[in-house]
Amino acid sequence: AQSVTQLGSHVSVSEGALVLLRCNYSSSVPPYLFWYVQYPNQGLQLLLKYTTGATLVKGINGFEAEFKKSETSFHLTKPSAHMSDAAEYFCAVSDNFGNEKLTFGTGTRLTIIP
Amino acid sequence: NAGVTQTPKFRVLKTGQSMTLLCAQDMNHEYMYWYRQDPGMGLRLIHYSVGEGTTAKGEVPDGYNVSRLKKQNFLLGLESAAPSQTSVYFCASSYEKGVFRNQPQHFGDGTRLSIL
Repeated sequence: AQSVTQLGSHVSVSEGALVLLRCNYSSSVPPYLFWYVQYPNQGLQLLLKYTTGATLVKGINGFEAEFKKSETSFHLTKPSAHMSDAAEYFCAVSDNFGNEKLTFGTGTRLTIIP
Repeated sequence: NAGVTQTPKFRVLKTGQSMTLLCAQDMNHEYMYWYRQDPGMGLRLIHYSVGEGTTAKGEVPDGYNVSRLKKQNFLLGLESAAPSQTSVYFCASSYEKGVFRNQPQHFGDGTRLSIL
């Protein structure tokens, strides 16, 4: 069975600082990996996804993530945090059988300090 | 550009009451999903549907029923509400067909349900 671990349920960074949100996964088959963002009182929106090919994936709002098979990680980064990045971020993993097998992490709440 | 619409947005029920949550999508997506979101637990799949007239159980199906009579609608029912079902419920849909698998899910804004 696949699983996702997000290290740190709360992360605070100063405006302009590097954002690093950690995600480790386990999967018995090559995974499909996703990062979603949830703003207050809204549903989740896709930030980026990894399927196959290039291991560095660029998403919306300046975020990117790198798939590292040897470390079973898919950490999310952004070089310079903006106040509008304050939200909750979810990592998710799916095997290649489809979205009905999508497993979400428990989420990381990102706070931006002015 | 509606996307995925959930109704109602808020509801308070008494233990034992029943209700139906409605999800509608206008993107002609085949797959639809119902999740519940609880603090510290992320999103957990309740039921899902891979097409009109089909439904299947997810990770936490007990106490819920679903129906997909029309492709654009996916209903989630609570027959006898319990306090443990207090949660935020999200509906999502995705385009999954042929070689197009693991497509991004599009989410509604959620239904906040409290069971007293």
